[in-house]
This record gives sequence, C-alpha cells and structure tokens, in this order.
Amino acid sequence: ILNVEQSPQSLHVQEGDSTNFTCSFPSSNFYALHWYRWETAKSPEALFVMTLNGDEKKKGRISATLNTKEGYSYLYIKGSQPEDSATYLCAFLNTGGFKTIFGAGTRLFVKA
Amino acid sequence: DTGVSQDPRHKITKRGQNVTFRCDPISEHNRLYWYRQTLGQGPEFLTYFQNEAQLEKSRLLSDRFSAERPKGSFSTLEIQRTEQGDSAMYLCASRTGQGEGEQFFGPGTRLTVL
Repeated sequence: ILNVEQSPQSLHVQEGDSTNFTCSFPSSNFYALHWYRWETAKSPEALFVMTLNGDEKKKGRISATLNTKEGYSYLYIKGSQPEDSATYLCAFLNTGGFKTIFGAGTRLFVKA
Repeated sequence: DTGVSQDPRHKITKRGQNVTFRCDPISEHNRLYWYRQTLGQGPEFLTYFQNEAQLEKSRLLSDRFSAERPKGSFSTLEIQRTEQGDSAMYLCASRTGQGEGEQFFGPGTRLTVL
C-alpha cells in the first residue's frame, strides 16, 4: 500500500513568519514528487516537480528539498504573506505505475 | 482559456440516480486522470487514461463507476445508482506524455447526493 503523509495537518502563522511542512513517502520505487498549492475555490496548481535525490528547487519565497533515500520532502515558505494561505499538497509517483498518490495536505493560514 | 475544463461545476442528485461528468483536457495532453476529493483529504486517484486507453483503475473504485475517453480527447465519468457516500469533489487533470511532468487540474465537479 502506497502511503503519503503530510504534517502538520494545519498551520496558523503571522505575516512575515517563515514556515515549513513535511511530506513523507515510500523510499522504494521512487519516480517523482510533486508539490501543489490549492487555494480555496481554485484548481490545484503545481509548484515543483522533483526527481533527483538532494534536489532543491526555489520559486520566489517558496523552496523545496527532496530526500528519496529516506522518503521525505520539505517545503519552506520564507516571510509568509496572507496570499500564501492555501492547502499545500504533495504527490508521489512511483516507477512503473501511473497512479499519483496525494497526501492529505497541509492547510496554511497566514494572518495579516 | 485553454486550461482543463469540467462540466458541470455542481451537481445535486437524489440517491439512486445516475450522473455523468465531463472533462476537457488541455488539447495537446494525452494523459488524463480522474480524482475524488473529500473534506480534509487529498485527491484520491480513481483512474488514468493514456490517449483513449484506460491503463489503470483504482481497486477502491466500485463497479458503479465507469470512465471513458473514446477519442483520446474529452473524458466522461459516470456514477450509477449514486449513494450518499459518493458526495465529493471530482477532479480531472491532464498532462503531456513526457516524463514526470506536473498535472494541470480542472476546477472540479462538486457532487452532492441527497
């Protein structure tokens, strides 16, 4: 059974705080890990596609790291803004399969 | 707008009725996914198409669910004899056939079964 875990389930921070979330996934048969941001009343949008162990990607104030050997990825947001409020989903893709297994997400609330 | 579209956006039905949802992917995307999402959970994989071929279907999916993609373009998801437990957001996503690329999601169809 492929299981993807995200923590924390929700997070409340003040504007300007930096924060990070964790995604844990199976360490075998790894193919790729995706991070998505899902704002209320919108569609999920991709933030990062990560494939290589040790990968580190950055988009503005948001960055992500990947450890495929131990099966985890971190998403960091530096200087959180109210517009960062959303659910952040990670999704695991394994080799040879077509499924994409999503975690339950981390719901971020940024208070001005 | 050339993104993924889904129709209808909302559907309210009575238990026991059949419903059908449509997804129009981005035109050059040959891979198409259906997901179901309930409150507090991430999207749950339902099925996957590569062109018109349905290559994977979740074992959690009952026989009341069927999906088609007859010409490798739009797809339909049908739920027969709906149950209250089918109430959820049904999301469609598409992507190109190259590598491990991101998926592009539609706005979803919110199903409520009374």
